[in-house]
Formats: sequence, structure tokens, C-alpha cells
Amino acid sequence: GDSVTQMEGPVTLSEEAFLTINCTYTATGYPSLFWYVQYPGEGLQLLLKATKADDKGSNKGFEATYRKETTSFHLEKGSVQVSDSAVYFCALRGNTGANSKLTFGKGITLSVRP
Amino acid sequence: DTAVSQTPKYLVTQMGNDKSIKCEQNLGHDTMYWYKQDSKKFLKIMFSYNNKELIINETVPNRFSPKSPDKAHLNLHINSLELGDSAVYFCASSPSGSTQYFGPGTRLLVL
Repeated sequence: GDSVTQMEGPVTLSEEAFLTINCTYTATGYPSLFWYVQYPGEGLQLLLKATKADDKGSNKGFEATYRKETTSFHLEKGSVQVSDSAVYFCALRGNTGANSKLTFGKGITLSVRP
Repeated sequence: DTAVSQTPKYLVTQMGNDKSIKCEQNLGHDTMYWYKQDSKKFLKIMFSYNNKELIINETVPNRFSPKSPDKAHLNLHINSLELGDSAVYFCASSPSGSTQYFGPGTRLLVL
């Protein structure tokens, strides 16, 4: 079945540091890929997405490129801020039906210190 | 304007009780979902409904019964609550086959 693997956390960075959060996936066909963010005490918000190979999703300074050859969708940001402290989830939606579920990675907690 | 709303936000109850969580979306989406987030933050699909019909049922105990009175609402009723049901439950909605938008979550604590 479909699966998503995220790097182990938590991650602690200083403000303005470069961020990379690794995400790889296993799926049949051509899934859509997503990054969701969960700020403390809140629900999930869509951060960015990519629906086909080589697409780059971007939002709020975050970027991720859909790499089919390496089955990866790593999240990057050039300069993190304290306000980026949150839990980040990589997810995929299979391409096997109109109502396919989201399969999530385990999430990684990012803490950014001033 | 809240797109996907859930009530209540917090729910504390005793083992053995029956409780319901409500979800409403005003986005005009035809598909709605329930996800469970455990204490380690892991998220897993429970149910999905499309136009009031059950589409996904992911090996959830039959104490959990979703109900969709119309395509804007998907409620979750839980019978005979157990300690292990303590979690955050998220509702989501989407147009068919497209991006899912999540509600704020309901934090359930079973004592």
C-alpha cells in the first residue's frame, strides 16, 4: 500500500538557518504530494502541493519539488523564522480514484529559536 | 468565515459514555473525511463520505459510526468510549479528487 516516510525529529534551528525536511514515498501510479503544517494547538493547514513529476510547490518561502526518480518531496526554506515553529506533515493522495484518502508521514516537530 | 468547523473543540468524558462530534463545511465540497491523530501526532484516515455515501472505512471499530445528513455535514458518533479513543479528531473536506481542507480538530479525552 501507499506509505510516506519522513526524517526523524524533532528539529531545532536558529532563526535565519536553512531548513530541509526529507520526505520519501511509496505509491503506485502518480500520486499527488502535499505538505501540511500544524501550529501549536491548531488544526492542519495546507502549506504547498505538487500534482505531477517535476512540479514545484511553494508558499510562505517554503518549497518542495516532486521528484519521481527518487520518489521524494523534500521541504526547504532558505531562512526560517520563530513563527515557523510547528509540526510538518508530508502526505500523498493516491491516483486510484476520485475520493482517494491522504496517507500521512509521522510528522516532524520544528522548533526555531531566536 | 470558517470553512470547515467542528464542535466541540474539547470533549472530556468518562469511559463507557456515548458522544458525538459534529463537522460542517461551507465550501460546497462533495467529499468529507474523518481522521484520528494519536498522542504521537500520527494521522490516520477513519472514514470518507462522498455525497452522503460512505466511500472509505478504514478498519475502525464499529463503536464509531459516521453519519452524513447532507453533503455539508459529517458527524461522528462514538459508543462505549474507551481510554484508547483519547485523541484529536479532524474533519476535512474536498472537491472530488482534490485538495483536502481540515477543521480545527476536536480534542477528546476519555477518563
